[in-house]
Amino acid sequence: EIVLTQSPGTLSLSPGARATLSCRASQRVMNNHLAWYQQKPGQPPRLLIYAASNRATGVPDRFSGSGSGTDFSLTISSLEPEDFAVYFCLQYISLPRTFGQGSKVEVK
Amino acid sequence: QVQLQESGPGLVKPSGTLSLTCVVSGDSITSGHWWSWVRQSPGKGLEWIGETYHTGTFNYNPSLKSRATITLDKSRNHLSLILTSVTAADTAVYYCARSLGFLEWFWDYWGQGHLVTVSS
Repeated sequence: EIVLTQSPGTLSLSPGARATLSCRASQRVMNNHLAWYQQKPGQPPRLLIYAASNRATGVPDRFSGSGSGTDFSLTISSLEPEDFAVYFCLQYISLPRTFGQGSKVEVK
Repeated sequence: QVQLQESGPGLVKPSGTLSLTCVVSGDSITSGHWWSWVRQSPGKGLEWIGETYHTGTFNYNPSLKSRATITLDKSRNHLSLILTSVTAADTAVYYCARSLGFLEWFWDYWGQGHLVTVSS
């Protein structure tokens, strides 16, 4: 099973700041089949990025994903008020499909 | 627009069976997508339960030790989850979700989630 470890656990930033979240895999994620999700309280996860760097339909271009192999990151170039939420990474190529434990972006 | 909606009991007794249904609208469960259940609890975070395709193919998380069964009802366009021998550790919000399949196993549409508490 691929274990995904996200860091930091919590990121305290002001609107307009740049956020960089990390997701490290315990073994190589084949073909970079890694996705990022955003989740707000009481809502299901929302797909942001798939295949490490492809934005999902309707996702603003301030969200970008990068990385390969075992190290991936999600960057929010300039935080908007609606971006304060929890972010999860998911590897979806190996069974079982596994998630990171989440990184919370909160208002400083 | 694709929509998924979970329903079922909110309370299940320990050692009992959890049974949930997810009604799909805006898409057919025989359309070529895969259909999954994912759960989320404060202690374990997000956990994939399993997935199935309309031809009868399925994959399950081995952590559930064969307690989970996912079925599709083509006549009603819904999917179901049965989880047997539940314990307090199965208390979670349960989501149904759709994936594109074949190398695109991430989920693009999710239900709103249904909280199930295991307690006597």
